[in-house]
Amino acid sequence: VQLVESGGGLVQPRGSLRLSCAASGFSFSDYSMNWVRHSPGKGLEWLSYISETSSAKYYAESVKGRFTVSRDNAENSLYLQMNSLRAEDTAIYYCVRDSATYLDYWGQGTLVTVSS
Amino acid sequence: QSALTQPASLSGSPGQSITISCTGTSSDVGNFHLVSWYQQHPGKGPKLIIYEVTKRPSGISNRFSGSKSGNTASLTISGLQAEDEAEYSCCSYAGSSSWVFGGGTKLTVL
Repeated sequence: VQLVESGGGLVQPRGSLRLSCAASGFSFSDYSMNWVRHSPGKGLEWLSYISETSSAKYYAESVKGRFTVSRDNAENSLYLQMNSLRAEDTAIYYCVRDSATYLDYWGQGTLVTVSS
Repeated sequence: QSALTQPASLSGSPGQSITISCTGTSSDVGNFHLVSWYQQHPGKGPKLIIYEVTKRPSGISNRFSGSKSGNTASLTISGLQAEDEAEYSCCSYAGSSSWVFGGGTKLTVL
């Protein structure tokens, strides 16, 4: 199982960024997926869930209305569109596989820095 | 959803046992038998070491064990080794396909 995130970088407040996660080594379309972030000096924070067929999507209150999760099963890819970014969104963002009763595999993460 | 409560740091000597606590509420830890623990070394992604409170994934040492009582879950590491020095985070299912994490515990092996 391999999950490789990309798309992070430096962005100004109120800007946008789109993160990608390339999945390999398993049948991507058979698994729900999540995005989780780790902010400096804080713990891990669950952000979003998307079901296998994209029929269900859930978000943490902290990002609801600003972030949008999507996936392309034909491309084995997961995405996170982040709009209206704030300084407090600065974090390492992880793509995480969901095995229903636990989150099992994590990527290495991609760093997002929101600063002017 | 408030974060689960963990001690910020712990330390132990090689060969000792340590226990990391993780306190939640009756809406998460106390309501579901779905607590997991993750080990994270600097620059790496989190690695699953305990799931469903007490189970170990294949390849994880039996020096790692988990338990739960009420709203508090615990991770015990026995026979501490230098490579156990890492950050440990607990996680609980919180309903509606959402998860809540602890603030993380930095373990130092003296």
